[in-house]
Amino acid sequence: DAGVIQSPRHEVTEMGQEVTLRCKPISGHNSLFWYRQTMMRGLELLIYFNNNVPIDDSGMPEDRFSAKMPNASFSTLKIQPSEPRDSAVYFCASTLGSGRTGELFFGEGSRLTVL
Amino acid sequence: EDQVTQSPEALRLQEGESSSLNCSYTVSGLRGLFWYRQDPGKGPEFLFTLYSAGEEKEKERLKATLTKKESFLHITAPKPEDSATYLCAVGTTDSWGKLQFGAGTQVVVTP
Repeated sequence: DAGVIQSPRHEVTEMGQEVTLRCKPISGHNSLFWYRQTMMRGLELLIYFNNNVPIDDSGMPEDRFSAKMPNASFSTLKIQPSEPRDSAVYFCASTLGSGRTGELFFGEGSRLTVL
Repeated sequence: EDQVTQSPEALRLQEGESSSLNCSYTVSGLRGLFWYRQDPGKGPEFLFTLYSAGEEKEKERLKATLTKKESFLHITAPKPEDSATYLCAVGTTDSWGKLQFGAGTQVVVTP
């Protein structure tokens, strides 16, 4: 079975450039989560969607970050302009239902390095 | 403010040497406590959900327990393949779908 698919797996860019990370959730899942992981702050929830609708974006660091889910099988996380402090591993996760069971299925992550 | 604290930060075990990891939490209303395993370069993998104090869950050499203030993940007779970072997370009653993760315990099991 295909799991959560993220692309790119690695991205190196220069400060000021636009970065777009992509996620394909598991087919049939209706909740999608974007997390960021750093050594300093661990895993932080950025935003999550239910039935393609953003439910809570309180974790989005600032206006430079935006996320969309145009349909049930695709989501993007965009950073514009990027800054060195955005360097992290970005994970997408999906689940069936609201996520109350806590059973999230994570992708392998997109490692972002901003120079 | 909700807090999740894991200890120790790192644990080195000999194969067969049982041990426990701790996850203490301070939340306004616990909806559930969740354990995940993360291998290097991979995303976290779900292990257990615990909903109420006294609840226990088991999977192979892992057993998770929950009290009103903390959870333990017991690793019995670990094998090298149990080497990973173990993360706990909490969901609260006022945060629909949202999980707050601890920093994790990195476990290394040597043959």
